[in-house]
Amino acid sequence: ETGVTQSPTHLIKTRGQQVTLRCSSQSGHNTVSWYQQALGQGPQFIFQYYREEENGRGNFPPRFSGLQFPNYSSELNVNALELDDSALYLCASSLGSGQETQYFGPGTRLLVL
Amino acid sequence: ILNVEQSPQSLHVQEGDSTNFTCSFPSSNFYALHWYRWETAKSPEALFVMTLNGDEKKKGRISATLNTKEGYSYLYIKGSQPEDSATYLCAFKATDSWGKLQFGAGTQVVVTP
Repeated sequence: ETGVTQSPTHLIKTRGQQVTLRCSSQSGHNTVSWYQQALGQGPQFIFQYYREEENGRGNFPPRFSGLQFPNYSSELNVNALELDDSALYLCASSLGSGQETQYFGPGTRLLVL
Repeated sequence: ILNVEQSPQSLHVQEGDSTNFTCSFPSSNFYALHWYRWETAKSPEALFVMTLNGDEKKKGRISATLNTKEGYSYLYIKGSQPEDSATYLCAFKATDSWGKLQFGAGTQVVVTP
């Protein structure tokens, strides 16, 4: 296993609600990246946090936001949930944002009804 | 090619046979190419990070090659075993993309005894 943990493992929400997903990075890693994987697709980059600052963002609306804490754990918040937000959300930790390997957690499965 | 494409989408292999599959990626602004193995209900497992044209990497019975000038990478599995059954993902990193990994949709490999 990678040492990256995510909670919760599964979640069911209804349209319009808000959700917070959590990620604990591998020991010593200062960078966390978040990805969304919809059915049948590869993971899509949402954003990355490096030392508590957003370091890059993919093509996701502002209702997707995040935080990184001093211990480098991270949260992904999604407001005003839509049906299309149903997906597997993966976080990955790394030491820096260069060539370094990103180590993934097992993901949080979100279902929006 | 603007996106990352993997082929085939899936393949079935008899135990003991060797197999290979392809990842195609943009040939400009290349920074790194990552390979992951993802077994059901587990975290994606990092296999290789490849950075130089002509790179060859090996881990046990799995190996990979890289051609950055034409934008492709091959992953090979020699003497496939049932435990090799997984989805294999490649991810392209561009020079101007911070920590963003751009994933293909994966090749699902099923090894039958």
